[in-house]
Amino acid sequence: KNQVEQSPQSLIILEGKNCTLQCNYTVSPFSNLRWYKQDTGRGPVSLTIMTFSENTKSNGRYTATLDADTKQSSLHITASQLSDSASYICVVSASVAGTYKYIFGTGTRLKVLA
Amino acid sequence: DTGVSQNPRHKITKRGQNVTFRCDPISEHNRLYWYRQTLGQGPEFLTYFQNEAQLEKSRLLSDRFSAERPKGSFSTLEIQRTEQGDSAMYLCASSLKGQTEAFFGQGTRLTVV
Repeated sequence: KNQVEQSPQSLIILEGKNCTLQCNYTVSPFSNLRWYKQDTGRGPVSLTIMTFSENTKSNGRYTATLDADTKQSSLHITASQLSDSASYICVVSASVAGTYKYIFGTGTRLKVLA
Repeated sequence: DTGVSQNPRHKITKRGQNVTFRCDPISEHNRLYWYRQTLGQGPEFLTYFQNEAQLEKSRLLSDRFSAERPKGSFSTLEIQRTEQGDSAMYLCASSLKGQTEAFFGQGTRLTVV
């Protein structure tokens, strides 16, 4: 069964600190993995996308890693800001007969405190 | 075109009423997806269209739910005889065939009282 699991479920950190969110998946056939940021009451917005051959990708203070062997990904946030408070959702795409299926994790809710 | 647009943003309805949501995808995108998201959970797939054809429906899409995309552009999602369990955020996303990124709208928050 295709599944995406994220940890922790929720996280509280102080402004300026770093944090790392985890994503484990069992999705086949794997196409790519994307991290989305979702502010409360808004739609998800893509942060990074990683394909099978990519290990690390950065987008500003966000750095995603992918280990395709262990089927794990992480999202590292550096020097957190209050505006980083949001849910971070890991989404794995499986390519099936020319169609992409998106398997969503349940997200990690991050709260950054002043 | 600034992205995927969903209307209304919020809808409060009484149990048993019918509701209809609209999604306008990014104009050149031929694929359109509907998802449902409850509090604290990730989005759950409901259905998707390629142009006007509805190619896949989730088992979550009960008989009370119907989605259409009559001209391959905007889409509507109707829920008949709403139940309290239908309360959720309904997200629409669109993408281009052959490309992996799906762009999401802001969602419609439905509350059934």
